[in-house]
Amino acid sequence: GDSVTQTEGLVTLTKGLPVMLNCTYQTTYSPFLFWYVQHLNEAPKLLLKSSTDNKRTEHQGFYATLHKSSSSFHLQKSSVQLSDSALYFCALRASSGSWQLIFGSGTQLTVMP
Amino acid sequence: EAAVTQSPRSKVAVTGGKVTLSCHQTNNHDYMYWYRQDTGHGLRLIHYSYVADSTEKGDIPDGYKASRPSQENFSLILELASLSQTAVYFCASSDVGANTGQLYFGEGSKLTVL
Repeated sequence: GDSVTQTEGLVTLTKGLPVMLNCTYQTTYSPFLFWYVQHLNEAPKLLLKSSTDNKRTEHQGFYATLHKSSSSFHLQKSSVQLSDSALYFCALRASSGSWQLIFGSGTQLTVMP
Repeated sequence: EAAVTQSPRSKVAVTGGKVTLSCHQTNNHDYMYWYRQDTGHGLRLIHYSYVADSTEKGDIPDGYKASRPSQENFSLILELASLSQTAVYFCASSDVGANTGQLYFGEGSKLTVL
C-alpha cells in the first residue's frame, strides 16, 4: 500500500547551516507529494508541493525535487533561521482515488542561535 | 484565502461522555477530513467526506462517528469518550478541483478526556 517514511524524528541545527529532511514514499500511482510545516500550537500549513519528475519546487527559501527513480522528495534549505523551528510533515496523495493524504511521522526541526 | 474554522478550540470531557467537534469551511470544497494528532506525532485520518450526507472511514475510525449535513459543515462525534482519545483534532478541506489534493487545515481542537 501507499506509505511515506521520514527517517529523522528530530533534527537540531545551528542558525545559518544547511538542512535536508528526508522523505521517501511508496505508491503504485503517479506520485504527488507535499511538505507541510506546523509551528508550535498552530495548524499545519502547506510549504510546497511536487511538480514533474526531477523538477525542483521552491517556496520561502525551502526547496525539494521529486525523484521517481529513488522515490524521494527531500526538503532542503541552504541556511536555516530561528523561525524555521517547527514540525515538518511529508505527505503523499493516496492512489486510492479518494483524495486522501498519507502523512509521514514528521520531523521536528530545532534551530539554535 | 481558504478558511476552515473549528469549535470548540479546547474541551475537557469526562470518560464516557459525548463530545462533538464541529468544523465549518467557506472554501466551497467538496472534500472534508478529520485528522488526529498525538503530541509530537503525525496526522492520522479518522473520517472523511466528499459529499453532503455521506461519510467514509479513514485509517482509525473506531470510537468515532462523523456527520456531514451540508457542504460547509463536518462534525466529529465521540459517543463515549475515552482517555485514549485525548489528542488534538484537525479538520481540513481539500482543493480537489485544482487536481492536487492540497489540504487546508483548521486551527485544531484540543480534547482532554479525564
